[in-house]
Amino acid sequence: DTAVSQTPKYLVTQMGNDKSIKCEQNLGHDTMYWYKQDSKKFLKIMFSYNNKELIINETVPNRFSPKSPDKAHLNLHINSLELGDSAVYFCASSQVAGAFTDTQYFGPGTRLTVL
Amino acid sequence: AQSVTQLGSHVSVSEGALVLLRCNYSSSVPPYLFWYVQYPNQGLQLLLKYTSAATLVKGINGFEAEFKKSETSFHLTKPSAHMSDAAEYFCAVSAGSARQLTFGSGTQLTVLP
Repeated sequence: DTAVSQTPKYLVTQMGNDKSIKCEQNLGHDTMYWYKQDSKKFLKIMFSYNNKELIINETVPNRFSPKSPDKAHLNLHINSLELGDSAVYFCASSQVAGAFTDTQYFGPGTRLTVL
Repeated sequence: AQSVTQLGSHVSVSEGALVLLRCNYSSSVPPYLFWYVQYPNQGLQLLLKYTSAATLVKGINGFEAEFKKSETSFHLTKPSAHMSDAAEYFCAVSAGSARQLTFGSGTQLTVLP
């Protein structure tokens, strides 16, 4: 049983395109997150959603927009893709609403390459 | 503000040898500390976490870590390395009203036969 799943696993696209990454969790968790992992493996949080409401938004360009149709899904839309957006994007979820002390469960990641 | 420093971006050990991965944290309030492991082409998986209970925390796969407030450290150890331990290891901290989990830069563990 896959707890946190992401699609697609790999995404190769041209600069200027718009793309989406989907995330679903079947753990019944209240909070979901998006992280960006750069080429040096540095992991930084982008967004967090608590029961469909945005509760954190780090200094991420507004070309990135999270969309949560329901508690089990948190999709990431990226407009006007740039070379610097190339990275691995991880979705994660945790049980307790807004508690960053709670264990987070990560998806397998989506490797985005912008040409 | 909270931060984590992982000393050594690459660590190599022989199979059967002691594994020691270093993590130092900075926090103005009592922290929660985590170790996550990332196997190649996979997401992160929790190894163990410290939540202000026992200072010696035991995790999965034989790993453990000790919280030392005086040294602001949370080093990860395993008595005997196995080939399957080869992975990237991340230390992370969450404290007070920071409202986020801050990760270190990771340590790549290589296990030599």
